[in-house]
Amino acid sequence: DAGITQSPRHKVTETGTPVTLRCHQTENHRYMYWYRQDPGHGLRLIHYSYGVKDTDKGEVSDGYSVSRSKTEDFLLTLESATSSQTSVYFCAIAGTSGRDTDTQYFGPGTRLTVL
Amino acid sequence: SQELEQSPQSLIVQEGKNLTINCTSSKTLYGLYWYKQKYGEGLIFLMMLQKGGEEKSHEKITAKLDEKKQQSSLHITASQPSHAGIYLCGAGGTSYGKLTFGQGTILTVHP
Repeated sequence: DAGITQSPRHKVTETGTPVTLRCHQTENHRYMYWYRQDPGHGLRLIHYSYGVKDTDKGEVSDGYSVSRSKTEDFLLTLESATSSQTSVYFCAIAGTSGRDTDTQYFGPGTRLTVL
Repeated sequence: SQELEQSPQSLIVQEGKNLTINCTSSKTLYGLYWYKQKYGEGLIFLMMLQKGGEEKSHEKITAKLDEKKQQSSLHITASQPSHAGIYLCGAGGTSYGKLTFGQGTILTVHP
């Protein structure tokens, strides 16, 4: 196992409320990623990080922000949750060698429901 | 941007049968990853292919990357109920290790 956890694992919230999802790794990997998984869409990249305080947008970043203040934690925040953000969110880590071809390893996922 | 198309979208087979899942890219593949996902769980890395013509095997699962590097196939021999799940292909080759995924293939294996 890659030593990656996500919290919470399940969350139900209401439209307009802020939500923060946490990804924690114990492997000292350089790269961290947030994806969302929806039926018919596979996984889509939301944001990613290539080091502490170094983050950038993925293909579906609108409505999301991230922070990485230390190597082991990557936070995903929905500032004002909407029903379209109901999804399963996965965190992934990579980069034991620092190469872009390093394999990504995934966390168990967070199922978020926005009512 | 790169797009990956997986076929079939779903597959139902009887235990013991062989099957193939395809992943076709709109651009040249510079790193192709195969993952398996069980319902409600995270993705498990299966294997990664980089070179045209490359073939890798793990237990009864074999993956190939064609010579032109625009298609990969995943072949399961003598399927078992434990093979059931969602199979996803992911394409690398961009900066910071970002991956683009196909929509997934749902495999059901009946005992």
